[in-house]
Amino acid sequence: GQQLNQSPQSMFIQEGEDVSMNCTSSSIFNTWLWYKQDPGEGPVLLIALYKAGELTSNGRLTAQFGITRKDSFLNISASIPSDVGIYFCAGRSNFGNEKLTFGTGTRLTIIP
Amino acid sequence: NAGVTQTPKFQVLKTGQSMTLQCAQDMNHNSMYWYRQDPGMGLRLIYYSASEGTTDKGEVPNGYNVSRLNKREFSLRLESAAPSQTSVYFCASSARALGDEQFFGPGTRLTVL
Repeated sequence: GQQLNQSPQSMFIQEGEDVSMNCTSSSIFNTWLWYKQDPGEGPVLLIALYKAGELTSNGRLTAQFGITRKDSFLNISASIPSDVGIYFCAGRSNFGNEKLTFGTGTRLTIIP
Repeated sequence: NAGVTQTPKFQVLKTGQSMTLQCAQDMNHNSMYWYRQDPGMGLRLIYYSASEGTTDKGEVPNGYNVSRLNKREFSLRLESAAPSQTSVYFCASSARALGDEQFFGPGTRLTVL
């Protein structure tokens, strides 16, 4: 099956720092999604990307659909305490199985 | 608008016991999904229902059954629980069949002893 490698697995940053994380796929995707999961809650959709090269922002969050269609990036600027949580990428390919494949998550912790 | 609701929130079972996890959505969505989340594994699809009256296997269907009771409700049944089924279970829904924008419930944390 398809595999999504998400990195880093965890990040420890100070409030105000910028954050970058990425996902890479073993195959071409035509959709990339980024979700955030707060402790004890279900994932919530942050950004959806549908076109190679697309750059989309949602407040302090910016995500990009890689031009190779095998990767995607999420950046968070000027982190604040409520950014703490687990960030998941998810993707869907054009071929055969069209269900979403999820990455393993990046756990973001803000050090006081 | 409650979105996607799941019951129960927590459950402890003994090996061999059965139980049904309930899920309901009030967004008039066509598709519904059941995922399990294990540490370091991300979300894995168990079963899904692209539309009312249809269900299909996902990535990890063994040991589970589902019922799409109506457009709103999609239940997940464990007939004979095993410790390997200890996990957090999430239900999700999307407006269109296999749609990208899936909305998730709060999850059910299941422990099988």
